[in-house]
Amino acid sequence: GAGVSQSPRYKVAKRGQDVALRCDPISGHVSLFWYQQALGQGPEFLTYFQNEAQLDKSGLPSDRFFAERPEGSVSTLKIQRTQQEDSAVYLCASSLTTSLGNTIYFGEGSWLTVV
Amino acid sequence: SQQGEEDPQALSIQEGENATMNCSYKTSINNLQWYRQNSGRGLVHLILIRSNEREKHSGRLRVTLDTSKKSSSLLITASRAADTASYFCATGDQGAQKLVFGQGTRLTINP
Repeated sequence: GAGVSQSPRYKVAKRGQDVALRCDPISGHVSLFWYQQALGQGPEFLTYFQNEAQLDKSGLPSDRFFAERPEGSVSTLKIQRTQQEDSAVYLCASSLTTSLGNTIYFGEGSWLTVV
Repeated sequence: SQQGEEDPQALSIQEGENATMNCSYKTSINNLQWYRQNSGRGLVHLILIRSNEREKHSGRLRVTLDTSKKSSSLLITASRAADTASYFCATGDQGAQKLVFGQGTRLTINP
């Protein structure tokens, strides 16, 4: 596609509910990232995939957070038993190769509100 | 945790003036990137400067990098109302495949 696509754009979840956020990276991009952005803050790294391999999940805040990219393209970020502190924008990003010098392209984000 | 710190946190100027934002970071980097984020939107990549570069230009944007001081600046010349947004610097960590963002500068251009 033309850019990184994320869905849903907005999600309101009741506390305790499970949510799944989807990311369609730019076609052919090897690297895929998930970031969490709280209101008024900069994005914070959650996890990184190289093709289907999850090479870094050091930023996932708890074991309630799980991400997958089974076929090396679309990725899903799942949050189980959501809590109010999970309310944030979840940004997905992709880049063409694994080189640190490559531009990383971001999607519009999925805005999660836990009530 | 966030590595970069942007300064100032908020900046308000008149249209046509130049806007300068600064970013400091803590560890050795491979590159530094600047992003813009309009309210309620995703991040838009503006410019990437590598650790062996000192200055880079793109249109009305000028970025400098001083690795000895671990700092970078973004200059927007002849500002326009459409430049109103938050601006973030992000560093590419050596050895790690991720960007580490600062907290951003909120720029307001008054018509």
